[in-house]
Amino acid sequence: DIQMTQSPSSLSASIGDRVSITCRASQSISSYLNWYQQKPGKAPNLLIHSTSSLQSGVPSRFSGSGFGTDFTLTISSLQPEDFATYYCQQSYNTPHSFGQGTNLEIK
Amino acid sequence: QVQLQESGPGLVKPSQTLSLTCSVSGVSVSSGSYYWSWIRQPAGKGLEWIGRVYISESPTYNPSLKSRVTILIGTSNNQFSLKLSSVTAADTAIYYCARSGATTSYDFWGQGLLVTVSS
Repeated sequence: DIQMTQSPSSLSASIGDRVSITCRASQSISSYLNWYQQKPGKAPNLLIHSTSSLQSGVPSRFSGSGFGTDFTLTISSLQPEDFATYYCQQSYNTPHSFGQGTNLEIK
Repeated sequence: QVQLQESGPGLVKPSQTLSLTCSVSGVSVSSGSYYWSWIRQPAGKGLEWIGRVYISESPTYNPSLKSRVTILIGTSNNQFSLKLSSVTAADTAIYYCARSGATTSYDFWGQGLLVTVSS
């Protein structure tokens, strides 16, 4: 199975900050990397698929990059609604696996 | 608009079988364009992929659960189901159904259903 490791596990930031979350796969997954945002009591919401493709309706302040084993989610200017938990997920092969999550909190 | 909705008992006794259904609207589960999956999340923890089904393929399961899991697709009522046998407290979680397509990302999710395993 492919293991996904996110860092940091938690992050404190302010409105307007630029933040990045990294995700590392235990083996190469090409570009089969997706990012989700989850707010308390809600299902995860797809932000970015295939490493860097923005899902319809997602603000352009979200972006993704990477290839192989190392990936990054960047939020260019934090907005109040962005404080949530973020998960990466590989879809290179089954079982699909998720990172442990990054909790983004208000500083 | 695509919608998914989980249903089933919220409380299951240890050693019994957990049975959930995901009702889908806005798209046919037999369209051949999508995989239909189950994912779970213990309270305060991360996401675990349980398995998926596709109309013309055998289901695929997480090896960690494979001996206990069955996922079936029901074309007559546009639903798919999850059965997890011999449950223990470790199976207590929010269970989500979700759709994935050509991008293999999960673009539509149900709202989630909390299932507690307790006597």
